[in-house]
Order: sequence, then structure tokens, then C-alpha cells
Amino acid sequence: QSALTQPASVSGSPGQSITISCTGTSSDVGSYNLVSWYQQHPGKVPKLMIYEVTKRPSGVSNRFSGSKSGNTASLTISGLQAEDEADYYCCSYAASSIVIFGGGTKLTVL
Amino acid sequence: QVQLVQSGAEVKKPGSSVKVSCKASGGTFSSYAISWVRQAPGQGLEWMGGIIPFFGTANYAQKFQGRVTVTADESTSTAYMELRSLKSEDTAVYFCARGALEAGRLTWFDPWGQGTLVTVSS
Repeated sequence: QSALTQPASVSGSPGQSITISCTGTSSDVGSYNLVSWYQQHPGKVPKLMIYEVTKRPSGVSNRFSGSKSGNTASLTISGLQAEDEADYYCCSYAASSIVIFGGGTKLTVL
Repeated sequence: QVQLVQSGAEVKKPGSSVKVSCKASGGTFSSYAISWVRQAPGQGLEWMGGIIPFFGTANYAQKFQGRVTVTADESTSTAYMELRSLKSEDTAVYFCARGALEAGRLTWFDPWGQGTLVTVSS
């Protein structure tokens, strides 16, 4: 049950698009369309941004989108804004009612 | 609108136990799962385990097997997480979160409790 692999940091300028990858295995990300993404600002509670790979909860900007190919899921943020600067975590179901988080990615808006 | 309210901060000695509560309001407690996720200072999120109150069955991450117990009291819509044999490395913020289920599988977590800081120090 190792953590999903995410880049430690990514950065982009306002208005640009960035993509954060989340690599698992054929036992978790690769087997289930049950990947979710969370945004966490410093000292705050995590916020659900994407669920079931591509779905966006009500109230989340359509600048956020998700996808998956094989054992790797991705979160794309388009039209970067200063308020997007935060930590992002992916999460996947991994069989036997177990869930695994990624190590987290710090997004810096330059 | 479901809300989760957790118990307050705790300071514990190494080797002792801590029990954190998570009270739900505004929804049907038994129809969702409740999971516990912790975050050590400066570190990422770590799923510890969870329970489906309707079934009363709990599942745990391998790392915490034997040291953590998650329970739920449907009569008070409250979930509990007890962690035993505390070590300094257990110092963290502990979150509860409502988990949605798809064919019995955990899919996403929303909402989250406000978090409970547990400090383990001699």
C-alpha cells in the first residue's frame, strides 16, 4: 500500500495551464475509475475538486479537469489564477475497501 | 448540508491512547462511510481507516492495523477513532470525512471535519 506518486511541485504563470500527474499501479488507479483530487490551502481543510476521475462537484470551477490513462491520473488547471496556489492531493480506491493518497503537489503561481 | 464537527485538541504521553470524535449533522449518517485521514506537520494526507455505520464494518490501512479502531454510534450520529500506543510520530491533525460509496467502494470524501490536533509528547 505505497502512496501514489505525484511531483513534489509544479508552477505556472497566471493564465497558463498546468497538469499534475498521479501514478499508481494496476491494483489501484489502473483498476478503478475512483480517483479523486483535493485542494488544500495552508492551515485549511482539504476540498474535493474532482471525483471519479473526471467529475466536478457543484461549485468547483470548470477550469479544473481530470483524466486517466492506464495507471496514471492527471489534474489539469487551466487559466491559472493566484487563488489556485495550494497543495493538491490525488486519492484512489485500492481494493478491499482501502484508499490511498498521493504524496501531494505544491502548486506555485508565479 | 452535512456538517462534521470534531472534538478538541489533545496532548498525550507516549504509550497512551487517544479517542477523537466526529459528530455529523444535516444528513443521513448511516448511508455514507466515515473515514479518518491524518496529516503530520508539513506532510501529506494519509488514510487511516473508515467505517460504514449501516453495516458497522471497519477497514484499516495496513500501517495502522492493530493500533487503530474506528467505531460509529448511529443513535448520536457520531464516529470515533481510537489510536493506541501513541508515539511522537503520531503527532498530527486528524480529520474525519464523509465518504461516498459506489458499489460498496469508497469514491470521494466530502465534507471534512475541521481537524483535531493530537500532540504526543513526554
